[in-house]
Amino acid sequence: KQEVTQIPAALSVPEGENLVLNCSFTDSAIYNLQWFRQDPGKGLTSLLLIQSSQREQTSGRLNASLDKSSGRSTLYIAASQPGDSATYLCAVPSGGSNYKLTFGKGTLLTVNP
Amino acid sequence: GAGVSQSPSNKVTEKGKDVELRCDPISGHTALYWYRQSLGQGLEFLIYFQGNSAPDKSGLPSDRFSAERTGGSVSTLTIQRTQQEDSAVYLCASSSLSTQETQYFGPGTRLLVL
Repeated sequence: KQEVTQIPAALSVPEGENLVLNCSFTDSAIYNLQWFRQDPGKGLTSLLLIQSSQREQTSGRLNASLDKSSGRSTLYIAASQPGDSATYLCAVPSGGSNYKLTFGKGTLLTVNP
Repeated sequence: GAGVSQSPSNKVTEKGKDVELRCDPISGHTALYWYRQSLGQGLEFLIYFQGNSAPDKSGLPSDRFSAERTGGSVSTLTIQRTQQEDSAVYLCASSSLSTQETQYFGPGTRLLVL
């Protein structure tokens, strides 16, 4: 059974810092990996999707890397801003499917002005 | 166009009553998914639709849960004889033709069973 772990569970940083969020998964036979953010009381917003054949994806200040063989992904946020404060979730398809997402429990990020 | 929408945004019901939750996917998206987010379990997959068919219902927790999709668009998740442990946020997502594409989530329905 696929298990996804995110470290740290919570992170508080001053505005402007660069930071890294970590995600690990137990079954490396994945099709892709997706990073989401969730604001309090809201749904999930997709940030980046990395296909299994890719090593990284970039969108603005966000960069996600994938090391499939070691079962790890990182989300790098450059020059953090208070508006980045949210819970960040990573998810991988599991059960041999390319759609049934298994999520980590998330990292709660607080960026202080 | 518009994103995934869900209704109602909040639902409070009494134990034993039936509830219906609605999802409107992004126009043109053929794949639709339901997930549940609860405090103890995190986010869990419930069911997957491709068009009006549900080839994967493996995440439905009991036979009190059912879902349908009509016209390849709107989906309804029905919970019969609700129990307190059904209290959670129910999230709907959709993706385009390929299930390897990004899943776009709606804002969720917060269900509280008293």
